[in-house]
Amino acid sequence: GQNIDQPTEMTATEGAIVQINCTYQTSGFNGLFWYQQHAGEAPTFLSYNVLDGLEEKGRFSSFLSRSKGYSYLLLKELQMKDSASYLCAVMDSNYQLIWGAGTKLIIKP
Amino acid sequence: DGGITQSPKYLFRKEGQNVTLSCEQNLNHDAMYWYRQDPGQGLRLIYYSQIVNDFQKGDIAEGYSVSREKKESFPLTVTSAQKNPTAFYLCASSMAPGQGTDTQYFGPGTRLTVL
Repeated sequence: GQNIDQPTEMTATEGAIVQINCTYQTSGFNGLFWYQQHAGEAPTFLSYNVLDGLEEKGRFSSFLSRSKGYSYLLLKELQMKDSASYLCAVMDSNYQLIWGAGTKLIIKP
Repeated sequence: DGGITQSPKYLFRKEGQNVTLSCEQNLNHDAMYWYRQDPGQGLRLIYYSQIVNDFQKGDIAEGYSVSREKKESFPLTVTSAQKNPTAFYLCASSMAPGQGTDTQYFGPGTRLTVL
């Protein structure tokens, strides 16, 4: 079966750095997406990785290792507004998105 | 402003009633999707459509129905056959289905509560 694993919840301090991990086992791979979702709101697109390596976008970076079935989202200089759930999703061989359950990130002052 | 709209944001229905959730997009996207989100679970695909007048079942289509008569609109009907309909429903659209870089963009969601 297809599976995406992420930690359920993480806590970090304002101004610090946090890394949210995602491991996957899917039928094929056509890319990995990270989304941010504030409580009660729509998911918003953060990043897309299809090749191994690090993609940097401002305070957020996303890393992919296809051989290990592993990705992480790195958030730097954390702000209170970064408190949200972070969803990892993999596009499988049928170009369908398989979603993880999300990681709830709590930022403390 | 281009985007995806869903209405209403909150919806309450009695058990046994059918209810239709609306989804409209003005992004000129070909593909549209309906997901259900429950606490502690990933998004689950209900139905998707890659072209007008055509749609496909997702992983949890039982108890739901859709139509795609216009490119801009993809309404979802939750029927009385759906055993546990209370959930947060998200509509999404994308420009280029069948490509790895195809990014899905989401509407604000409808929280349905069946009493």
